[in-house]
Amino acid sequence: EAQVTQNPRYLITVTGKKLTVTCSQNMNHEYMSWYRQDPGLGLRQIYYSMNVEVTDKGDVPEGYKVSRKEKRNFPLILESPSPNQTSLYFCASSIRQGGGSRYGYTFGSGTRLTVV
Amino acid sequence: GQQLNQSPQSMFIQEGEDVSMNCTSSSIFNTWLWYKQDPGEGPVLLIALYKAGELTSNGRLTAQFGTTRKDSFLNISASIPSDVGIYFCAGHPFSGTGNQFYFGTGTSLTVIP
Repeated sequence: EAQVTQNPRYLITVTGKKLTVTCSQNMNHEYMSWYRQDPGLGLRQIYYSMNVEVTDKGDVPEGYKVSRKEKRNFPLILESPSPNQTSLYFCASSIRQGGGSRYGYTFGSGTRLTVV
Repeated sequence: GQQLNQSPQSMFIQEGEDVSMNCTSSSIFNTWLWYKQDPGEGPVLLIALYKAGELTSNGRLTAQFGTTRKDSFLNISASIPSDVGIYFCAGHPFSGTGNQFYFGTGTSLTVIP
């Protein structure tokens, strides 16, 4: 089954303790992205990757890191989490079509992170 | 980032009623998408629109790409309880690169049996 898999689904952590949220897709998609969803703010892009070893900042990158060493994996790293990073996080992937996309994203099921 | 204005923010309707929601942008888009998010899940693509004036249906759902290329509309006919969820619009700017899509803030739909 074609899918984007995120782990964990739920995570409670303490301020300052480094954590990684994993994301993997089995569709051979070039493009992957991380979003956070907060009430009233919709989905805001954190980082995206156009291909292996190519990553770039989205609209709200502060406090986050990503890496793209393999095509299928795109982990989100919080080096020193803070309470304002408590949110619902989604990983997404899509086929990349040069010069603009005619395809939408496939989303993972989400990771609900609470930082206390 | 690009701002998409989606309205209404929430709707409470009786089962069987029709639903309309819309999304507007400040710039021209070349792709509009509509997603639905069920509670506890990620958004799932409902309809994709690729040119101005395009009207596309998916069962009881119909979406339109506005002729100005700055807006899009989603209609749901004869709503049923499983239509409950949050509906998001997403758009790709005409001047954008790669796969950058911007999302609206969502319309929360509640259907009362």
